[in-house]
Amino acid sequence: QMQLLESGPGLVKPSQTLSLNCTVSGVSFNSGGHYWSWLRQFPGKGLEWIGYIYYSGTSYYNPSLTSRISISIDSSKNQFSLTLSSVTAADTAVYFCATTPGGYGDFSDWGQGTLVTVSS
Amino acid sequence: QSALTQPASVSGSPGQSITIPCTGTSSDVGYYNYVSWYQQHPGKAPKLMIYEVTNRPSGISNRFSGSKSGNTASLTISGLQAEDEADYYCSSYTDTSTLVFGGGTKLTVV
Repeated sequence: QMQLLESGPGLVKPSQTLSLNCTVSGVSFNSGGHYWSWLRQFPGKGLEWIGYIYYSGTSYYNPSLTSRISISIDSSKNQFSLTLSSVTAADTAVYFCATTPGGYGDFSDWGQGTLVTVSS
Repeated sequence: QSALTQPASVSGSPGQSITIPCTGTSSDVGYYNYVSWYQQHPGKAPKLMIYEVTNRPSGISNRFSGSKSGNTASLTISGLQAEDEADYYCSSYTDTSTLVFGGGTKLTVV
């Protein structure tokens, strides 16, 4: 059974870069069939898709964030990562990693989520 | 402001049926049959309940069903149970290969 686990700092200062990792177990990264994804949920509860990456390295980003984000994959570690630059308080959220088989938004497996607070 | 519109709250009594609408545009809900629905209990990750408008993942009760008409998708829960009390979110793939979510609906089982 697939499991996903987010890791990274819980507190980031304004204007700095947020970096998160998602470690995946129970599935091979080198096979197709999964779009490895990042989403976030704001304190007011709204959900936002950040982006995803296919095992081949092809990535797709939310247009509202594309200038600040990068998603990468490290198959040797069964990990994929998110970097979000120039953060502000508006980036405070619970960040989830998840997977969608077809890339069409059916996120079938999720991590538990990690709260990231942007504050000085 | 969320791209898809959902009511902030709905309520129903045990055993009843409720429907949650999710209204988008011809560029998202109305463009593809790639609408998903998620259930989220407090402090938990969202759980996929419906995908591709009408399909239930393995293990999801047939009390949950989805439909779509034009630019509005709907989630119906029949035979309401106390455990159904949660937040529900819709999402849709768009014509620009992005994903958008609704603002969420809080279901109260009274």
